[in-house]
Parts: sequence; structure tokens; C-alpha cells
Amino acid sequence: EVQLVESGGGLVKPGESLRLSCAASGFTFSNAWMSWVRQAPGKGLEWVGRIKRKDEGGTTIYGAPVKGRFTISRDDSKNTTFLQMNSLKTEDTAVYYCAAGRGVTDFDDWGQGTLVTVSS
Amino acid sequence: QSVLTQPPSASGTPGQRVTISCSGSSSNIGRNDVYWYQQLPGMAPKLLIYRNNQRPSGVPDRFSGSKSGTSASLAISGLRSDDEADYYCTTWDASLSGHVFGPGTKVTVL
Repeated sequence: EVQLVESGGGLVKPGESLRLSCAASGFTFSNAWMSWVRQAPGKGLEWVGRIKRKDEGGTTIYGAPVKGRFTISRDDSKNTTFLQMNSLKTEDTAVYYCAAGRGVTDFDDWGQGTLVTVSS
Repeated sequence: QSVLTQPPSASGTPGQRVTISCSGSSSNIGRNDVYWYQQLPGMAPKLLIYRNNQRPSGVPDRFSGSKSGTSASLAISGLRSDDEADYYCTTWDASLSGHVFGPGTKVTVL
């Protein structure tokens, strides 16, 4: 069974940093593209970014609102992907989901999400 | 403001058929596959339809998708109370070089 478990969310002040983790199991992690999608309270889904497989260069791509501030990385030895968030803004407040792209879509499977609140 | 347009809400009585539209442009739906996700209250999204009209295993055939030009649609037939959820369309946008989601449609079973 595919499982994705996010962690690392919490309350931070504007301008601060936070690192989210997503631990994967139940599939060959190194073969998957890993993505992050967020959802502000009461709002819709917003794509954050994605990292390709290591054998495809592990390249990353980001949505405009987070480009230059957020960084996605992966550690295939730990079956984990990370989202480093710097210079956080109040508008970054959201539930952050990680998603695994295992060949059908970029978002075949989703974690349960972790809440990030940016407030002074 | 999303580049994809969905109606904010749709409703029907049990057993009815409900259709949700997703309208885009030549830079997104017009050139890429459309995917649909169901988000039950308090839950993570779940893949419902991929590549415009394909259902993952386990998704009932009451759910169907279609695409024509720069628009796509999701149909739910034989509406059930547990279909009450938010439904999102998504695709790749070539101009933005990224995934875009529709604003979501809340389906209510009357």
C-alpha cells in the first residue's frame, strides 16, 4: 500500500524558514516524480513544484508564487522528499501535500498534508 | 485567479447525473491531458480521472471524463450521498510552464 506521510508543519513568523518532509513507502521511491501541492484554508489546490527522478537529473520546477524562495529535494536512500521554505509570507499559510507521480500522473497518490501557518 | 474555469457548485438528487465543466485555453487544455481529483471533506485529494477519460482501478464507472478543444468535463451518474465533495480539474500549462488547477466545484447531493 502506498503511503506518504508529511511532517514539519507549524507556526512561523513572516520572513522565517521551515522545512517539510514527506516519507514514502509502498512503492519504488527512486522511480517516482515527487510534487508538492498546497491548499490555503477554505481555498482550492495550488501547485508548488516538482522534482524528477535522479536518473533524469533530479531537476526541479516551481510555481511562480514560490520560485526563488522554496526548494524541493529528495533523498532516495531515505525514501523522503523535502520542501525547504524560506522568506515565508502570510500568504504561504496552507496545508501542504506531497504527491507521488508513479507513471500515470504527477499526482497519483497524496499524503494527508501538514499545516503551515505564517503569522506574526 | 485560475487560468482554468469551473462552476463553484453543482447539485443533484440521488440517482441523478451531474456534469462539471472545466474551461481553459490553447496553452493548457487545448494541448495537454486533463485530470480530475475528488476531495472529500477533510481529506486529501484522490485521482478520479486521468488522461481525459481514463479511470484508475477502483474508481466506479459512474464517473466519466471527456475533453473537446479547450474544455473538459466530468460527469457523475447515479449520484450518491458519498459523492458530496470538491472536484478539481488540472492540466499542464505551457505558457506558465507549470501545473494549473481549476478553482474547484463543490457537489451537493440534495
